[in-house]
Amino acid sequence: NAGVTQTPKFQVLKTGQSMTLQCAQDMNHNSMYWYRQDPGMGLRLIYYSASEGTTDKGEVPNGYNVSRLNKREFSLRLESAAPSQTSVYFCASRVGRVNTGELFFGEGSRLTVL
Amino acid sequence: RKEVEQDPGPFNVPEGATVAFNCTYSNSASQSFFWYRQDCRKEPKLLMSVYSSGNEDGRFTAQLNRASQYISLLIRDSKLSDSATYLCVVNAGGGNKLTFGTGTQLKVEL
Repeated sequence: NAGVTQTPKFQVLKTGQSMTLQCAQDMNHNSMYWYRQDPGMGLRLIYYSASEGTTDKGEVPNGYNVSRLNKREFSLRLESAAPSQTSVYFCASRVGRVNTGELFFGEGSRLTVL
Repeated sequence: RKEVEQDPGPFNVPEGATVAFNCTYSNSASQSFFWYRQDCRKEPKLLMSVYSSGNEDGRFTAQLNRASQYISLLIRDSKLSDSATYLCVVNAGGGNKLTFGTGTQLKVEL
């Protein structure tokens, strides 16, 4: 019952360092998403991938890049981390048909940038 | 105006009370609506979808008002275990992009 798996769960970076958050789902879902969650801000969409081979910007894409490596995997990269990127990051997936709503989330990755 | 807006609360209610949350959305082309529940430091999980005619799941009732562009969630006979943050989710404008409200915090007390 893996569902959506994110790694790492916790990470501390220094300003300017780079890192990649990995996400994989085993439910054969078409669409995958990266959100960040900050206190008082709710979940904000960073990037999403409606299907393998496509990616689109969400609400807050600046400072991030993504790769939809295959149908299972969708990674999020921070090229030069900034303190403003301190947040909890959630990866999610869904079947992808319009009006088929359930998003399945990973457990989150807690990132601190010093 | 934000795409999806919720009253952040917290709503503090006694066990057994009925409580209702509203969520407004700005894009009249929105097609799909959901309520998610998030426990402290956990990932969000689907509570229920919201259908045009309204729908019920046990103690939970969801309603959609397209004319006024809001959805609602009613919880009857509140339990301590209902304490959580309730997130409104809309596919603003249709398609695969899902937008979350900031959430409404509910605390059910003895």
